[in-house]
Amino acid sequence: NAGVTQTPKFQVLKTGQSMTLQCAQDMNHNSMYWYRQDPGMGLRLIYYSASEGTTDKGEVPNGYNVSRLNKREFSLRLESAAPSQTSVYFCASSEAIDSWDIQYFGAGTRLSVL
Amino acid sequence: EDQVTQSPEALRLQEGESSSLNCSYTVSGLRGLFWYRQDPGKGPEFLFTLYSAGEEKEKERLKATLTKKESFLHITAPKPEDSATYLCAARGAQKLVFGQGTRLTINP
Repeated sequence: NAGVTQTPKFQVLKTGQSMTLQCAQDMNHNSMYWYRQDPGMGLRLIYYSASEGTTDKGEVPNGYNVSRLNKREFSLRLESAAPSQTSVYFCASSEAIDSWDIQYFGAGTRLSVL
Repeated sequence: EDQVTQSPEALRLQEGESSSLNCSYTVSGLRGLFWYRQDPGKGPEFLFTLYSAGEEKEKERLKATLTKKESFLHITAPKPEDSATYLCAARGAQKLVFGQGTRLTINP
């Protein structure tokens, strides 16, 4: 049982380049989330999807877009990467939006923007 | 504004030396207080959920407690494998807010 799978694990971009971070879960969860984690700061929510077909902004959505491709997959896109987007990105899922508590996380994508 | 603060930022203990990690929160309409463990290079792993003041939960050498303003993660007779970053998060009416974490190191 893989849980939450994120690809790629590492990525280096130049300023202005675009890329998509992929996330897939095999737990039949309804809700999915994208966070970023920076040194000295807690996990910050970028976007979330309460259910298939819906997406909403979190705390730090600027510079990002998301797509809930189907129930399993939730992707995060950086259209024009900036050095401020250098971070570790985590995807998470939960059974439903009301059970935000038990969120299952992927291993993360470490992104550097030069 | 909802806020979660963890202390200390880092803690070094000797194997067997018990201690506690603190999580202070200001969240309107608390709907749950959560503890996660995060190992280097990995995503957070769920440990506990606490819903009301006075509640306690235990798992092996860890015990989490909750008051109206704080939560504590007590570690009894820790082992080197307990070394990790411990994250606290509080769920308010609309969102889950994470603290910055406490990096715990247990020396053999």
